[in-house]
Amino acid sequence: DAKTTQPTSMDCAEGRAANLPCNHSTISGNEYVYWYRQIHSQGPQYIIHGLKNNETNEMASLIITEDRKSSTLILPHATLRDTAVYYCIVRVAAFNYGQNFVFGPGTRLSVLP
Amino acid sequence: DSGVTQTPKHLITATGQRVTLRCSPRSGDLSVYWYQQSLDQGLQFLIQYYNGEERAKGNILERFSAQQFPDLHSELNLSSLELGDSALYFCASSVGQATLSTEAFFGQGTRLTVV
Repeated sequence: DAKTTQPTSMDCAEGRAANLPCNHSTISGNEYVYWYRQIHSQGPQYIIHGLKNNETNEMASLIITEDRKSSTLILPHATLRDTAVYYCIVRVAAFNYGQNFVFGPGTRLSVLP
Repeated sequence: DSGVTQTPKHLITATGQRVTLRCSPRSGDLSVYWYQQSLDQGLQFLIQYYNGEERAKGNILERFSAQQFPDLHSELNLSSLELGDSALYFCASSVGQATLSTEAFFGQGTRLTVV
């Protein structure tokens, strides 16, 4: 799995967009970018994933640069409940490939009132 | 609710003992992952099973073992427990039979306290 680099922590004002960057400069062509978050000792929660096109779902948007060496997770209107550790992971999204999700230290996002 | 069920939610046991943690994956998911998260530590991958077979192994101690049964539920067995084994243990499942979705969904974890 390619390594990822994320800022240790970030603050965001409630109601504003939270933009969380991730660097994955050694990503391979068949590796996807996944984002998860963990809210204080709860199980990690899947947010979104993508290969090269930008993706959007009800939780967030994922913007991947054209060279795929970095990406940004966007929470459009952050709320206090979005305070969590956010993990950026790259891995092959093969159907039965024996590959796990490798979690780094992530970014601790604090949404401030 | 992720659809992944872990039991028990909390477990307190003494050093030297053995415990079994259980995970029921989401309906139709073939792959199960086990992770350990110690206090203020990151998520450490332990082991993965796919349709009953071991597929990937992480930093799992020899005192720990796991298996996935024909009904796809999984158990993580921890033996000769030490104080340092106190942690949250998470199970995740992925790879549904009907779709090629590959995101993993995590349970709420079992908090193990060794005293």
